[in-house]
Amino acid sequence: EVQLVESGGGVVQPGGSLRLSCAASGFTFSDHYMDWVRQAPGKGLEWVGRIRNKANSYFTEYAASAKGRFSISRDDSKNSLYLQINSLNIDDTAVYYCARIHLWPHRYFDYWGQGTLVTVSS
Amino acid sequence: EIVLTQSPGTLSLSPGERATLSCRASQSVPSNDLAWFQQKPGQAPRVLIYHASSRATGIPDRFSGSGSGTDFTLTISRLEPEDFAVYYCQQYGLSGPIPFGQGTRLEIK
Repeated sequence: EVQLVESGGGVVQPGGSLRLSCAASGFTFSDHYMDWVRQAPGKGLEWVGRIRNKANSYFTEYAASAKGRFSISRDDSKNSLYLQINSLNIDDTAVYYCARIHLWPHRYFDYWGQGTLVTVSS
Repeated sequence: EIVLTQSPGTLSLSPGERATLSCRASQSVPSNDLAWFQQKPGQAPRVLIYHASSRATGIPDRFSGSGSGTDFTLTISRLEPEDFAVYYCQQYGLSGPIPFGQGTRLEIK
């Protein structure tokens, strides 16, 4: 059974940093691209960024709103995905989801974690 | 970047009725790589449809997707009580950005 479990959320002061984790199981993690998506309270879904697999040089890309402060990484030996967020501001308050990208040819988001809540507040 | 616009914002229907949700793209969606997701309160999104009309694993056949180019539709043939939720469309692909529509809330009338 495919499982994605996020952790690392919590309450952080503006300007602070946080590292979110996503533990994967039930599939060959190293084969898949992985994404982060966030959802502010009562709002819609917003794509944050992606990391490709080793075969594609772990290439990363980010939404315009995430460039510069967000960094996605992965450790295939630990079946884990990470999201580092620096210089947090109020607008970063959201539930952060990791999502698995289906293999070629249809790279849709086929599995999601349950999310971890990040609250930026003084 | 493609912008996805969903309509209506809210749809009020009764169980047993047919629901038709629309997603319009600002430019043609490459390869019709458009997905639909269902999200219930406090839960992660769940994929229903990918490639515009292919049902994801385990999705009941009352859910169907159609369309191509810039206009896409999610149809729920006969609403069950558990279908009342928020629905999002999304254009996906090899690379970002990956836009989502703003969502349609399907509520019980």
